[in-house]
Formats: sequence, C-alpha cells, structure tokens
Amino acid sequence: EAQVTQNPRYLITVTGKKLTVTCSQNMNHEYMSWYRQDPGLGLRQIYYSMNVEVTDKGDVPEGYKVSRKEKRNFPLILESPSPNQTSLYFCASASGRLAGDNEQFFGPGTRLTVL
Amino acid sequence: KQEVTQIPAALSVPEGENLVLNCSFTDSAIYNLQWFRQDPGKGLTSLLLIQSSQREQTSGRLNASLDKSSGRSTLYIAASQPGDSATYLCAVQLLQGAQKLVFGQGTRLTINP
Repeated sequence: EAQVTQNPRYLITVTGKKLTVTCSQNMNHEYMSWYRQDPGLGLRQIYYSMNVEVTDKGDVPEGYKVSRKEKRNFPLILESPSPNQTSLYFCASASGRLAGDNEQFFGPGTRLTVL
Repeated sequence: KQEVTQIPAALSVPEGENLVLNCSFTDSAIYNLQWFRQDPGKGLTSLLLIQSSQREQTSGRLNASLDKSSGRSTLYIAASQPGDSATYLCAVQLLQGAQKLVFGQGTRLTINP
C-alpha cells in the first residue's frame, strides 16, 4: 500500500529537549516536505526537499532542521524545542516532476506538545 | 504572493442537501489544485485533484471544478450525509520553485441528521 508514515504520532516533551519526528514514504517520490498546522494560521510549509541531499526552507523554518540522506526518509529535527512549536505536523511527498498530476500525499500527522 | 481563501468558514446543512464549497486564489500560475478532507485532529485525505489544464474532476458524490482564469474552484457534494461532516481544505500547488501547496483556512462542514 502506497503511504507516508510518521512517528511518533503523539509526543509530549519539555523545552530544550532535542527530538526527531521521522517521515518515510514507499512511493519512490523525489519531493518531500513538512508542514505545521495551527488554529487560525492553517497549514504552513516548514522545509522541503527536491531530492536526496537537496533541502530548502519553506515559510516557517526557524527552530527546525531536516536531512535527506535517503530518498524514502525525511526526518524533522527540533534541536531545542520551545512551546511555540506545539503544533500538528504533517509530512508530505510527491513525485516532484512537473509532469503528470504530481499529487501530494500526506502522512497521518504528529501532534507535538512542548511544555 | 499566492493567497487562498475559502468561504464560508463554517457551514451546517440538513442531511440530503446538495452543497457547494468555494475556494479562490489570487495567482493563476498554478500547477494543480487539490481538495482535502480533514477529520478533527486527524490527517489529510485527498479527495480530488484538478490539473491546471482541466475544468473538473468527479469522484462519487463529489465534483470539483476549476476556473483558473478567475482564480476559483468549487467542490460540489451531492446528497450530503452525516459522514461528510469534516473540514474541507483546498490547496493550490505552485508552478515554480518549491512546488509547495498553499492552503486555504478550510470550511468546517456539519451535516445534521
């Protein structure tokens, strides 16, 4: 089954404790990205990756890091989480080629609470 | 800068009615437009995708239209059911650069039995 998986699904942590949210896709997609969703602000892109070892900032990258060492994985790293990073996070992937419909597929979300 | 607006923000209708959700965007230079469904606290389920060269797409009781020149899309839901209650999001994919999706704020739909 074609899917995007994220782990963990729920996480409560404390300020300053480094954490990683993993994202994996099994569709051989080149393009992957991270979004956060906040009430009243909607979904906003954090980082994206066009291919292995190619990453770039989205609209709200501050406080986050990413890496793309393998095509299927795109982890989101919070080196020193703060309460304003409490949010619902989504990973997404797409073929990345502007040919065909380039539909984006989303993971189930990770609900992060930073105390 | 691309902006996506969805009106209304919330809609409550009796079961069985046909309804239309609206989405507008400010820049017509899009690659495609996707409609998603989101249940409370859950992930995004893709409903329909319309490429920029297409006018509409249909899936079951759902029909989405796209008028790129006027920057509008509509999602038509026929014979609504309580199970259709959810938030519906539209998103446009940019043609250039990040290929990111720019989302609207969503329409929260409630279907009353």
